[in-house]
Amino acid sequence: GAVVSQHPSRVICKSGTSVKIECRSLDFQATTMFWYRQFPKQSLMLMATSNEGSKATYEQGVEKDKFLINHASLTLSTLTVTSAHPEDSSFYICSASLGPVNTEAFFGQGTRLTVV
Amino acid sequence: KQEVTQIPAALSVPEGENLVLNCSFTDSAIYNLQWFRQDPGKGLTSLLLIQSSQREQTSGRLNASLDKSSGRSTLYIAASQPGDSATYLCAVMSSGYSTLTFGKGTMLLVSP
Repeated sequence: GAVVSQHPSRVICKSGTSVKIECRSLDFQATTMFWYRQFPKQSLMLMATSNEGSKATYEQGVEKDKFLINHASLTLSTLTVTSAHPEDSSFYICSASLGPVNTEAFFGQGTRLTVV
Repeated sequence: KQEVTQIPAALSVPEGENLVLNCSFTDSAIYNLQWFRQDPGKGLTSLLLIQSSQREQTSGRLNASLDKSSGRSTLYIAASQPGDSATYLCAVMSSGYSTLTFGKGTMLLVSP
């Protein structure tokens, strides 16, 4: 299958700072990328869908000004957690697909964010 | 809105047993269903993907079945091993989307 690389795998930051997480499709062009969040012992919840060159679509309840998503190229999407707080501590996973509808998505390794 | 439920939430078995994990979904208009494995603190490893037109998929000791009309899928693991210990997630892609709706997972512990 296709390879999606997510970086960093772990990050610890202080409250009030911002953290950027990168998601790269290494061997294919991803027109659509997705960002999920997973709380301990919970399932993955979709945060937003990003299409290359356009604004991301956020799920209900996800603050777009807090979770900034940029999809500037067909191989890179970034998620920036702005003014992080301890409650933002979570596991963030990206996935990338060839298209917006009914195409298989491939997952990154995830990023464990801890805000202290 | 699609909802995915996995039963049981946790399962503990001795090595060598065959076991079945269950997944149900509320909207049968799906494009595919996928089973993942997640080790603690790690990302997702795709195990099996079943297209909506298929009834089952097999990979080694794993067999996944799909009954779209009843909204059910099962993951069968034969001759379980301690290395199979992980959380198994079921995820559904609804028709017209590329996002996945995940269940909460089944945490499997296989003891030697």
